[in-house]
Amino acid sequence: QKEVEQNSGPLSVPEGAIASLNCTYSDRGSQSFFWYRQYSGKSPELIMFIYSNGDKEDGRFTAQLNKASQYVSLLIRDSQPSDSATYLCAVKRDDYKLSFGAGTTVTVRA
Amino acid sequence: GAVVSQHPSRVICKSGTSVKIECRSLDFQATTMFWYRQFPKQSLMLMATSNEGSKATYEQGVEKDKFLINHASLTLSTLTVTSAHPEDSSFYICSAEYPGQTYEQYFGPGTRLTVT
Repeated sequence: QKEVEQNSGPLSVPEGAIASLNCTYSDRGSQSFFWYRQYSGKSPELIMFIYSNGDKEDGRFTAQLNKASQYVSLLIRDSQPSDSATYLCAVKRDDYKLSFGAGTTVTVRA
Repeated sequence: GAVVSQHPSRVICKSGTSVKIECRSLDFQATTMFWYRQFPKQSLMLMATSNEGSKATYEQGVEKDKFLINHASLTLSTLTVTSAHPEDSSFYICSAEYPGQTYEQYFGPGTRLTVT
């Protein structure tokens, strides 16, 4: 079982819709969770982090964490073409390194 | 805040030469920095963890004598690819760990290395 798994893409959504990205992790002791956005040919950019159960909102982004289910998600509301990118879910390990999922590529159709 | 820079952004070198890549945290001090490489359409691969004032720790399969890492200050880590070969051509990305409760990592813009 992979440490971090993301829903397979690509995910195509129309402009203005909600994009929903899912991530599960295997280490029940994990405490910190991150979502990065990576445009093609660029490095990852941190867009959200969450460490408490529940929702955390930042602008059009909402991260949701359920530690009991070992599940973290990212919602992108009012999706824009500029949101088209690969989204990486990352989980902080006990040794402070990050375990990354394979990424979900999102395409927002104008 | 939380800006990380990398230099150079792109480098082309001849096989057998060495290349140094710098990673700087511009507005915070980073005790720990990380070096990754990424091949096209693949996920990030952690190469090593760089701690200020101590030796870097390398991931399994990464040659420490080939990829020399120096973390001389709380804002600077360098990666030197020694005796580069075409198979070392890749996108090298550093990250710096932000001091705080969650220790989130901020990435530099990356260095695209091409070895001819």
